Amino acid sequence: EADIYQTPRYLVIGTGKKITLECSQTMGHDKMYWYQQDPGMELHLIHYSYGVNSTEKGDLSSESTVSRIRTEHFPLTLESARPSHTSQYLCASSERGLEEKLFFGSGTQLSVL
Amino acid sequence: DQQVKQNSPSLSVQEGRISILNCDYTNSMFDYFLWYKKYPAEGPTFLISISSIKDKNEDGRFTVFLNKSAKHLSLHIVPSQPGDSAVYFCAASYAGTYKYIFGTGTRLKVLA
Repeated sequence: EADIYQTPRYLVIGTGKKITLECSQTMGHDKMYWYQQDPGMELHLIHYSYGVNSTEKGDLSSESTVSRIRTEHFPLTLESARPSHTSQYLCASSERGLEEKLFFGSGTQLSVL
Repeated sequence: DQQVKQNSPSLSVQEGRISILNCDYTNSMFDYFLWYKKYPAEGPTFLISISSIKDKNEDGRFTVFLNKSAKHLSLHIVPSQPGDSAVYFCAASYAGTYKYIFGTGTRLKVLA
């Protein structure tokens, strides 16, 4: 069973606030990802990391930033939240190798007022 | 341009019957396909996967079929149970890439 944790589960904040969404995994996976998903839409990759000190932007442009200082930790930060950032944010990880399954956390539902 | 398409946004099935969820893809480089189940406000849960060297993979009540010539895969759930009611996403990937391309999902409702 996957051990990947996201906090908070739900977050309601005002415009202009700085927020950090936490993601941790205990599986020792090298690869970690952040996806964004709106109802009825596909999951869009916004950031990924191959390992410590490695981060890349995904296919969907995002104003968020990420860091990977430790293997198990991959936080996402929004410097100044806006209503357009309202969405579900999903963190995932996978092992290196062929036929890699993505393991997802429970997600953070963000609402920016 | 969507590379992975789930053209049925929703599906209703009676309990005990078969549920068939479909997925089409356009990129012939995809060689690994996955199905995920997602409840509202939860993260997706891995269900089953299939490599392009196979045309069928089975795990309990779940079977995935892959038709490479048609660029089509399907997920069969037999028998369907009310707890299967969720949104199902198919995803595709190819070797050596970080990319997992997801479809838009199909909402399955299993009626008791």
